[in-house]
Amino acid sequence: EDQVTQSPEALRLQEGESSSLNCSYTVSGLRGLFWYRQDPGKGPEFLFTLYSAGEEKEKERLKATLTKKESFLHITAPKPEDSATYLCAVRRTGFQKLVFGTGTRLLVSP
Amino acid sequence: DSGVTQTPKHLITATGQRVTLRCSPRSGDLSVYWYQQSLDQGLQFLIHYYNGEERAKGNILERFSAQQFPDLHSELNLSSLELGDSALYFCASSVVGASGPSYNEQFFGPGTRLTVL
Repeated sequence: EDQVTQSPEALRLQEGESSSLNCSYTVSGLRGLFWYRQDPGKGPEFLFTLYSAGEEKEKERLKATLTKKESFLHITAPKPEDSATYLCAVRRTGFQKLVFGTGTRLLVSP
Repeated sequence: DSGVTQTPKHLITATGQRVTLRCSPRSGDLSVYWYQQSLDQGLQFLIHYYNGEERAKGNILERFSAQQFPDLHSELNLSSLELGDSALYFCASSVVGASGPSYNEQFFGPGTRLTVL
C-alpha cells in the first residue's frame, strides 16, 4: 500500500530562519510527487510536481527536491505569510488518486 | 483561485439526513475527484469521475454516492449521515489524458464544511 510520511508534524521558525520539510514515501511505481500548501479552512493550493529522482523545482522562497525515497521542501528566509500546512502527496502509475501525508504545520513568527 | 467551485461552503444538518455537495471543475478539465479531510485522517480519496464515468473508488462508504453530469459538474450525495461524517469535503479537477507536463496536477476547490449534529 502506498504510504506518505511527513516530518516534522509542526515547525516554528523565526522570520528569515531557513529550514526544510521532509516527505518520505513508499509507492510502487511513482508517477508524480506533489506539494500543496493549505491555509486553515481552505482548499489545498498546488505548488509543485516532481517526477523523477534528482529533479528540483523552485518558486519564490520554496524549493522542492526529490530522491528515490523522499522529497524535501526547502524554505529560504521565510516570511510570516509562508505560515500554512504543507502537504505532500504521491500518485502511482496507472492510478489517478493522490495519497496524502498528514502535513507539516509551519508557523513563521516576525 | 484554482477555478474549481464548490457549493455550499458550509452545511449543518442532523444525523440520519441526506445532503448533496456540488462541484464545478476548471474549464476544460474532464476529471473530478472527491476527497474527505477530517482532523484525525487527513485527506482521503473518495472517488474519481472522468467525462461522466466512474473511474476509481477509494474509501467511500456505501452511504455515499457521486455522479458527473454531461456539463462535467459533479455531485456527492451523503445519506444516513452520522456524527463521524463531519468533515471538510473537497473536490479537485484535472486534465486527464491530455499530453504535456501539466496534465497530472489536481486543482482543489475551496471545500464544503459539513457538520452533522
